[in-house]
Amino acid sequence: AQTVTQSQPEMSVQEAETVTLSCTYDTSESDYYLFWYKQPPSRQMILVIRQEAYKQQNATENRFSVNFQKAAKSFSLKISDSQLGDAAMYFCAYRSLGLSNAGGTSYGKLTFGQGTILTVHP
Amino acid sequence: NAGVTQTPKFQVLKTGQSMTLQCAQDMNHEYMSWYRQDPGMGLRLIHYSVGAGITDQGEVPNGYNVSRSTTEDFPLRLLSAAPSQTSVYFCASSPLLAAASYGYTFGSGTRLTVV
Repeated sequence: AQTVTQSQPEMSVQEAETVTLSCTYDTSESDYYLFWYKQPPSRQMILVIRQEAYKQQNATENRFSVNFQKAAKSFSLKISDSQLGDAAMYFCAYRSLGLSNAGGTSYGKLTFGQGTILTVHP
Repeated sequence: NAGVTQTPKFQVLKTGQSMTLQCAQDMNHEYMSWYRQDPGMGLRLIHYSVGAGITDQGEVPNGYNVSRSTTEDFPLRLLSAAPSQTSVYFCASSPLLAAASYGYTFGSGTRLTVV
């Protein structure tokens, strides 16, 4: 089974500065997807960015980018020019393609890390 | 608006009571799942379904039942509520084919308190 670890329960950043949230994962699969989700106080889960494991190029979405290190099984999220609206809980997630499971029962499952609370100071 | 609709948004139950959390999606997604969110533990998978009539257990299935009679609906039943089931519950869906390239679409969550 896959596991996802976020070792930073809380992080803080000054407005307009850059912050990096860490995520590591464990898997025996060769192909999979990785995601970062944002959960503001409204509780809604918002997809921030996705990375396909077979792509070496790091994904970027406006101020959000990832540093994907497949060999190290690391998937960090960098937020540039932080804004007050970035304050939220952030979850790293792994989506299985079920390629290592003969029964295919792991296909599509999304496994989450414990989350990191990001505070943005004005 | 298209998406995943969860009801109710809040619920208080007494220990031993049963209830059903409703989840409906109008995107024709084959894949649906239920998660619970607890502090410091992220979201954990309870049950999931890859299509009507097909369900399977996730990481923490005990005390919960599901059924999938239609593509649109995936209700979660608490058989006999316990304080350990106090949590926030999320329903989520996604397409199945090429599903891995999609993140899930989440409902807005149900905050359940068992006293």
